[in-house]
Amino acid sequence: AQTVTQSQPEMSVQEAETVTLSCTYDTSESDYYLFWYKQPPSRQMILVIRQEAYKQQNATENRFSVNFQKAAKSFSLKISDSQLGDAAMYFCAYRSAWGGGSEKLVFGKGTKLTVNP
Amino acid sequence: AAGVIQSPRHLIKEKRETATLKCYPIPRHDTVYWYQQGPGQDPQFLISFYEKMQSDKGSIPDRFSAQQFSDYHSELNMSSLELGDSALYFCASSLTDISWDTEAFFGQGTRLTVV
Repeated sequence: AQTVTQSQPEMSVQEAETVTLSCTYDTSESDYYLFWYKQPPSRQMILVIRQEAYKQQNATENRFSVNFQKAAKSFSLKISDSQLGDAAMYFCAYRSAWGGGSEKLVFGKGTKLTVNP
Repeated sequence: AAGVIQSPRHLIKEKRETATLKCYPIPRHDTVYWYQQGPGQDPQFLISFYEKMQSDKGSIPDRFSAQQFSDYHSELNMSSLELGDSALYFCASSLTDISWDTEAFFGQGTRLTVV
C-alpha cells in the first residue's frame, strides 16, 4: 500500500517570503499522480497543484511550484511571495495512475502553514 | 461552473441514531468518492463508485453503507452512530476517461456531530 509522509506538522513564514513544505511517499508503482491540497479554515479542499510521475518537468501554478524527485520519492511544495491568504493546512496526496477503482487519494497528515504579517 | 453539492452541511445526531449524507456530483461525472476527516486528521478514504457500481472500498465500518443512484448522486448511510463518527465527510467526483487522467473535485463537506 502507498503511504505519504509530511514530516512538518507546522510551518510559518513571513508575508512576501518563500516557504517549502516537504512530502515523501512510498510506492512500488512507476506511474502515479501527486497533489498538494490546501484546506483553509472553511475546511474546503482546494487543489493547489498536481504532478504526473511520468513528467520530468516540475509543475508550476503561479506562486506555487513543486520539486519532484522521483528516485528519492520526494515531492515538496514551494510557495513564493507568501500571502496572508495562503495560511491553511496543506495536504500532500498520492493517486495511482491505473484505473479499475484505484483512483482514491492517499493523504499525508498535513502541514499547518501560518503566514505572519 | 457547477460544483459538487453535499447535503446537509451540518448534522447533529445522538448516539445509536442513523444519518444519511447526500452527494450530488458535477454533471457528467461518473465517479464518486467518500472520505472521512476526523478532527485534526487527514482525510481517509471510505468508498467509491464508478457508473453506479462500487469500485473500491477503504476503512469503512460495517455500520456504514453507500450507493450511487441512476442520476449519479450518492448517499452514505450511517447507522448505530458512535461518538467517534463525529467528523467532516467529504464527497468528491471525477470523470473517468480512458486515460484515467482525472481530477477529483471536492464538495464542501458535511460536518457530522454525534452527541
